[in-house]
Amino acid sequence: GAGVSQSPSNKVTEKGKDVELRCDPISGHTALYWYRQSLGQGLEFLIYFQGNSAPDKSGLPSDRFSAERTGGSVSTLTIQRTQQEDSAVYLCASSLAIAGGLNIQYFGAGTRLSVL
Amino acid sequence: RKEVEQDPGPFNVPEGATVAFNCTYSNSASQSFFWYRQDCRKEPKLLMSVYSSGNEDGRFTAQLNRASQYISLLIRDSKLSDSATYLCVVTPEKSSGDKLTFGTGTRLAVRP
Repeated sequence: GAGVSQSPSNKVTEKGKDVELRCDPISGHTALYWYRQSLGQGLEFLIYFQGNSAPDKSGLPSDRFSAERTGGSVSTLTIQRTQQEDSAVYLCASSLAIAGGLNIQYFGAGTRLSVL
Repeated sequence: RKEVEQDPGPFNVPEGATVAFNCTYSNSASQSFFWYRQDCRKEPKLLMSVYSSGNEDGRFTAQLNRASQYISLLIRDSKLSDSATYLCVVTPEKSSGDKLTFGTGTRLAVRP
């Protein structure tokens, strides 16, 4: 079956513009995560959606970042008034989130964002 | 101190060599442990989960030492295709959900 799908694969934008990144998780996966990977850095957690629960936004670096997940499936990460330091690869992952289970996360190929 | 620490490498080894990577984590309440592999400009992919009893998958062996907060990955009989960055990954305490905390990765280059 299809894996985690992200679009666009590459995005070049000008400083100050807003961008929207999309993630389509694996069908049936109730948990969805956003991470980002900056050049030479490890992956950094941003936000986590689990079913109908309130999302865990503890990793969002500023109020310019927001995300939503509609209908428990597709998620959009929005970055407002982009800055050059926002340039990174934004990765989405999903998992089955079985209570008490080992929840393996499967990653999409990412969106490479470049802010000029 | 970083939550998950790894030697960045690179480890440059000949084909057929045995190589070991280590990782330490700071949160003693961490729940789950994994090794992911990331090829250049690609997404991370799960290599194996790590259990307290140690586990093996073909040429790969993972060990967890909770007392020392230490995880290891051993690769035997290295292949050219093993060249990649190996990410040590930890799930924090249960109340944090399943968000992953990643080390910065250890780069492996296997030469002919």
